[in-house]
Amino acid sequence: ETGVTQSPTHLIKTRGQQVTLRCSSQSGHNTVSWYQQALGQGPQFIFQYYREEENGRGNFPPRFSGLQFPNYSSELNVNALELDDSALYLCASSLVLGDTQYFGPGTRLTVL
Amino acid sequence: QQQVKQSPQSLIVQKGGISIINCAYENTAFDYFPWYQQFPGKGPALLIAIRPDVSEKKEGRFTISFNKSAKQFSLHIMDSQPGDSATYFCAASQSRGAGNMLTFGGGTRLMVKP
Repeated sequence: ETGVTQSPTHLIKTRGQQVTLRCSSQSGHNTVSWYQQALGQGPQFIFQYYREEENGRGNFPPRFSGLQFPNYSSELNVNALELDDSALYLCASSLVLGDTQYFGPGTRLTVL
Repeated sequence: QQQVKQSPQSLIVQKGGISIINCAYENTAFDYFPWYQQFPGKGPALLIAIRPDVSEKKEGRFTISFNKSAKQFSLHIMDSQPGDSATYFCAASQSRGAGNMLTFGGGTRLMVKP
């Protein structure tokens, strides 16, 4: 059984660009959540997808958007990148809604 | 408010000692309290979790103590080892809420000296 995987591992973008991050959930998990972790801080909830529908959203602007696919993998898209978007982006999956969340290794995004 | 406050920010413990990390929450609707361990360059890994129907849960060297009336919970690491050196995050969530989002504390950087 493979765990949660994320790609790419690292990414460097410039201000104003757009970025897409990808996540493959753990086998059999139908719920995916995305978190942003700034350096030295705890993760902050961005949004969650359950069976391809958004199931909750944290305090992030609309330029943060996402998708979940029929195989339960997911994408996080960020438009009009700002310097403050530099962070580790974490994906977590759970077997069912409300269950324990298991995190992937994250994607380190640097915005210059 | 959906806040979880964690202390201390950093902790140095001698090998074999007890590491204690504390968290306090405000939202009484929270009903799931996990602790995560994170090594540099890695994602958080679930260590142990508790629900408010019990006051203590032990798994190996790790124990969660939970005080519902005080809205506080803590992680105790017994016989701390250098390999335990990592950042620890407490978190809380509302299992019936939309999004089942985890609200994390600010983290505690633990260093265990050999």
